This record gives sequence, C-alpha cells and structure tokens, in this order.
Amino acid sequence: QVQLKESGPVLVQASETLSLTCTVSGFSLTNYGVIWVRQPPGKGLEWMGIIWRNGNTDYNSALKSRLSINRDTSKSQVFLKMNSLQTDDTAIYYCTRGYGGFDYWGQGVMVTVSS
Amino acid sequence: DVVMTQTPVSLPVSLGGQASISCRSSQSLVHSNGNTYLHWYLQKPGQSPQLLIYRVSNRFSGVPDRFSGSGSGTDFTLKISRVEPEDLGDYYCLQSTHFPYTFGAGTKLELK
Repeated sequence: QVQLKESGPVLVQASETLSLTCTVSGFSLTNYGVIWVRQPPGKGLEWMGIIWRNGNTDYNSALKSRLSINRDTSKSQVFLKMNSLQTDDTAIYYCTRGYGGFDYWGQGVMVTVSS
Repeated sequence: DVVMTQTPVSLPVSLGGQASISCRSSQSLVHSNGNTYLHWYLQKPGQSPQLLIYRVSNRFSGVPDRFSGSGSGTDFTLKISRVEPEDLGDYYCLQSTHFPYTFGAGTKLELK
C-alpha cells in the first residue's frame, strides 16, 4: 500500500538549515511527484514545493530563495532543505503524493525553530 | 498568487443534517489543458489532511457518497449530506492549476 513518512530533527536553531526526508513505499518516484506542505500550529496549510516524476522542481515563490527539494529514486526518498530558518518556520511538515490532487499524506513531523 | 476564499469559517451542524462549504478563487481554475484542479480535504484533529474530492467533483477512493463537489471557473462547493460524527473537523480547498498552489483558509465543521 502507498505510504509516506517524514523524518528529521524536531528542534532547529534559528538561522540554521532544516533537512527533512520523506521515505515512500508502494509507488515509484519516477511515476509520481511528491509535494511538501507545512502547517504552523493552529493555522492553515501552505504549499511549499514539488518534485515531479521527471525530477524537475517547482517552489513557492515566497520560499524559493531558501528552499530546495531533491530525491534519491533508488532509496525512494525525497529530501527537503530550507535554510535561514526563523521562528515562524515552526510548523508540521508533511510530504504528500501528487496525483489527482494530493492523494496520500505522511503523518507529518513537527519542527520547532528555537531562537 | 491565486487567493482561495473559503466560507464560512465555522459551520455548526446537527448530526444527520446537511452542510455546504464554498470556495471562490481570485482567477479561473481552468487549466490550459481543459482540466480544473480544485480539490477538497478534511483534516480531523491531530491527523494529516485526507483527500475527499479531486478535480471538482471526483470522490477519492473510499469516500462516502454523502460527500459531493461541484462548481466551475472560480466558484466551487462541497456538500455533505447526513453529517456523521466522523465528518467533523477542518475542511480545506486547494487549487493546483496555477503556481504557487494555494489552499483556502479552512472551514471548521462542528456540532451545533
């Protein structure tokens, strides 16, 4: 069955770089895109970016200067890196499969940025 | 960016009743390929969002037929008939026609 799971540090210092991994199973990264979405505590959802099945990427322009998404298809992993973190980057970070809407989601990882 | 205006913010309902949520976009969501990429999600407390409806009116696998989506262009609606306890939570619309993809601010479906 389709599964996605986010992993990474739960606490990051301000000005540092966040590195998260999304490990997928039940599908191939060469057949589906993977999207990153985040949600600050008690707030709504924000689309961050996508890595398409061909490896191309698109980013939210508000984050583009700080964000990169890459993948290792042999390990079925997608990587998110975002630098120059601030306290308002504190959020739950989700990865989700891109097909007909974002159909399957990971459980999310809560990342707190400490000043 | 495309602004998704979702109303109401809060929607009190009775179990067994009907609910209707509106999502309006600041520009047409018809893609150059002719498809309209407007989707609906439910986020239950403490859980990840779950896809209910994709491309305006298509129910995702396992979603009960109590959920229906409609609309076109810039005006879209999610209807829930015979509301059950497991339907309570936050509902979001999402457009994935234009970059950056954008979500509505959410509608909290709660008991009256």
